[in-house]
Amino acid sequence: DIQMTQSPSSLSASVGDTVTITCRASQNINSCLNWYQQKPGRAPTLLIYAAASVQSGVPSRFSGSQSGTDFTLTITSLQPEDFAIYYCQQSYSIPPITFGQGTRLEIK
Amino acid sequence: QVQLQESGPGLVKPSGTLSLTCIVSGGSITTSLWNWIRQPPGKGLEWIANIYDSGTVKYNPSLKSRVTISRDTSKNQFSLELTSLTAADTAVYYCARAQALVGDSSYFDPWGQGTLVTVSS
Repeated sequence: DIQMTQSPSSLSASVGDTVTITCRASQNINSCLNWYQQKPGRAPTLLIYAAASVQSGVPSRFSGSQSGTDFTLTITSLQPEDFAIYYCQQSYSIPPITFGQGTRLEIK
Repeated sequence: QVQLQESGPGLVKPSGTLSLTCIVSGGSITTSLWNWIRQPPGKGLEWIANIYDSGTVKYNPSLKSRVTISRDTSKNQFSLELTSLTAADTAVYYCARAQALVGDSSYFDPWGQGTLVTVSS
């Protein structure tokens, strides 16, 4: 199985800050990496697909990038509604599809 | 706009069988890939299985011996069966459509709202 390791596991930031969350794949997954946001009691929603493509309707402050097997989600100018848990997910080699363990973004 | 809704019992007994259904509206299950994903309380996401538009199925190897995914095209719904339940199977179960990119690459969108299944006597 391909392991996805997210860092950090939790993060505190203030409104207006810029934050980055990293996801490292245990082997090459090309650009088959997606990012999701999950708020309490809700299903995850898609933010970024194929490493860097922003899903329709997602604010432009969200962006994704890739360097080899390292993937980054960047959120600029944090808004109150951005405080949530973020997950990465690979679909390059299945089964199984695998997720990172999640990064909790909290208000400082 | 595709919408998904899970249905099934909220409480099942240990060693029993869980049966869930995902009703799809706004789109046909004979297109795209359809998935089950679960999330234990306070924990991360685990992919369980999917069924392709062709009817081909794939399972998470960690659950494969206990899981069956199927579909009913006449009702535009797909289902999950999980046997030999233990407390470790307590989770919110989501159904989700996967939009295909290149090869097996895909992303999950949209998701159902999820249904909490508790395994307890």
